[in-house]
Amino acid sequence: AQTVTQSQPEMSVQEAETVTLSCTYDTSENNYYLFWYKQPPSRQMILVIRQEAYKQQNATENRFSVNFQKAAKSFSLKISDSQLGDTAMYFCALVSGTYKYIFGTGTRLKVLA
Amino acid sequence: DAGITQSPRHKVTETGTPVTLRCHQTENHRYMYWYRQDPGHGLRLIHYSYGVKDTDKGEVSDGYSVSRSKTEDFLLTLESATSSQTSVYFCAISNTGATYEQYFGPGTRLTVT
Repeated sequence: AQTVTQSQPEMSVQEAETVTLSCTYDTSENNYYLFWYKQPPSRQMILVIRQEAYKQQNATENRFSVNFQKAAKSFSLKISDSQLGDTAMYFCALVSGTYKYIFGTGTRLKVLA
Repeated sequence: DAGITQSPRHKVTETGTPVTLRCHQTENHRYMYWYRQDPGHGLRLIHYSYGVKDTDKGEVSDGYSVSRSKTEDFLLTLESATSSQTSVYFCAISNTGATYEQYFGPGTRLTVT
């Protein structure tokens, strides 16, 4: 069975600082994708960043980047220059060829002014 | 934004009554999903569909049924609602292809009293 674990229920960071959210996963598949989704208070789920397992290079989207450690099955999200609008729930997710997505339990991030 | 709508957006119902939630997409995506979101549990898959009239169970399917008679519509039915089904329900879509990205509807808050 595939699993996704987010061990940090809540985190906080000062505005303009950098924060890293942790995610570990388990799968027996060789080909899979990993995602980070953001859910602000509006409740809308927003895709932040995607990583293909076969790519060694870490994905980057503006202030968001990942540290993908395939052997360790770790997929952390780094947010640089944190902004108040980054306050949200963040979910890590895994999908493979079955198209069944597995989500972690989420990390609630609060950016402090 | 992907064209996904959910109806109703909010519903309060009594224990034992049937409830149907509707998800409608305009993207012609093959896969459609129903999730429930509860504090401490993240998003959990209820049912998903991989084509018209093709559906499969997720990890929390007991008490729920689904139907997909058209590509664009995916219905979730609670045959006899219980208080444990009070939750926020999300519909999502994805398509075959290289990205495996999943797009979410706005969510439906269901309260069973």
